[in-house]
Amino acid sequence: QVQLVESGGGLVKPGGSLRLSCAASGFTFTDYYLTWIRQAPGKGLEWVSYISTRSAYTNYADSVKGRFTISRDNAENSLSLQMNSLRAEDTAVYYCARGRNSFDNWGQGTPVTVSS
Amino acid sequence: QSVLTQPPSVSAAPGQKVTISCSGSSSNIGSNHVSWYQQIAGTAPKLLISDNSQRPSGTPDRFSGSKSGTSATLGITGLQTGDEADYYCGVWDDSLSTGVFGGGTRLTVL
Repeated sequence: QVQLVESGGGLVKPGGSLRLSCAASGFTFTDYYLTWIRQAPGKGLEWVSYISTRSAYTNYADSVKGRFTISRDNAENSLSLQMNSLRAEDTAVYYCARGRNSFDNWGQGTPVTVSS
Repeated sequence: QSVLTQPPSVSAAPGQKVTISCSGSSSNIGSNHVSWYQQIAGTAPKLLISDNSQRPSGTPDRFSGSKSGTSATLGITGLQTGDEADYYCGVWDDSLSTGVFGGGTRLTVL
């Protein structure tokens, strides 16, 4: 069965960095776009970034552009999100999801807290 | 402020029917397929409806989706207490070149 397992979340100070990972299994990894989606405490879903199958295309929400970088390793079936210059408003649970327009499988999420 | 507009909450009694609206624009709902997600408290979102009205395997036929112009609607019939959750619409936005979500609607089954 399809599995997406995020890791790498934690507590970080404002201005700090964190790298999230998402390990995928149970499907042909190279067939799918992948997306990061986040959810701040008590708030709704926010689309963060996507990457195409061979990493040719990426895009970011304006709120993270220039600070976050999405990447994937097709040999390792893994997705990453490098987050720099973190702000308090980046505090959220971060989900990796399969797809670009529609997300048919989601990980369980990894929490990120940005606080001094 | 979300790009897509949903009512914050809806409620109905068990066995009744409820609809949740999602309003957008020509650059998102007007030109792309809408998906709906169900998020039960404390869990990850789950795809409920894709391509405006398609139910993935595992989604009961009590759930339906439709789209007209720049609006979409999720319908749920035969409400059960287990349907209590937050529901989100999502779609690609051609102007932003990003995905966008509605603010979410909390369903209470009274």
